[in-house]
Amino acid sequence: DQQVKQNSPSLSVQEGRISILNCDYTNSMFDYFLWYKKYPAEGPTFLISISSIKDKNEDGRFTVFLNKSAKHLSLHIVPSQPGDSAVYFCAANRHGDKLIFGTGTRLQVFP
Amino acid sequence: GAGVSQSPSNKVTEKGKDVELRCDPISGHTALYWYRQSLGQGLEFLIYFQGNSAPDKSGLPSDRFSAERTGGSVSTLTIQRTQQEDSAVYLCASSPQPTGLAGNTIYFGEGSWLTVV
Repeated sequence: DQQVKQNSPSLSVQEGRISILNCDYTNSMFDYFLWYKKYPAEGPTFLISISSIKDKNEDGRFTVFLNKSAKHLSLHIVPSQPGDSAVYFCAANRHGDKLIFGTGTRLQVFP
Repeated sequence: GAGVSQSPSNKVTEKGKDVELRCDPISGHTALYWYRQSLGQGLEFLIYFQGNSAPDKSGLPSDRFSAERTGGSVSTLTIQRTQQEDSAVYLCASSPQPTGLAGNTIYFGEGSWLTVV
């Protein structure tokens, strides 16, 4: 049972434009959501997070939106840069339990 | 070191052999996690430790997999009688907070790439 789903395996965006990565979850008890970024041959690195008591969190070019009624979160990157090209994983947990990860979306930002 | 350290970084082994993967978490981190990523798959939870105990082993795929943590620090993941489907990158992560607290962010190592031939 895939509790965290990223339905788009890949996304291609032009440099300077907005990248929107989507994530859906099924467990309404999740209370903390995170995005990780992974370059090839490296471990995932933490990018940004949001608590279920909020609907938006912004950090520089990165903004995460949470829609609890739809059980949906998204990561917006604006403006997108070639260095943002990586695989992005969303993750969620409940009460600090183990993180459940999605399958990832490969973002490619082209000039 | 400053980050989570894993060894070996790459391991090629013959089917049926045992392998040990090591993880040295960030100093002072109480929680330690093992995940794996098979080709084309997401991050699959295996096990986590709080101190030296493992409250959740639910992700271990079979009894060929085991893990231990000693001294609240280094952890070893052991795979016995390896099979080709065990080929994956095994990722260790640690967290400064005990599990059970909201807002728990975990920090990953670079992974151990295991290939079973």
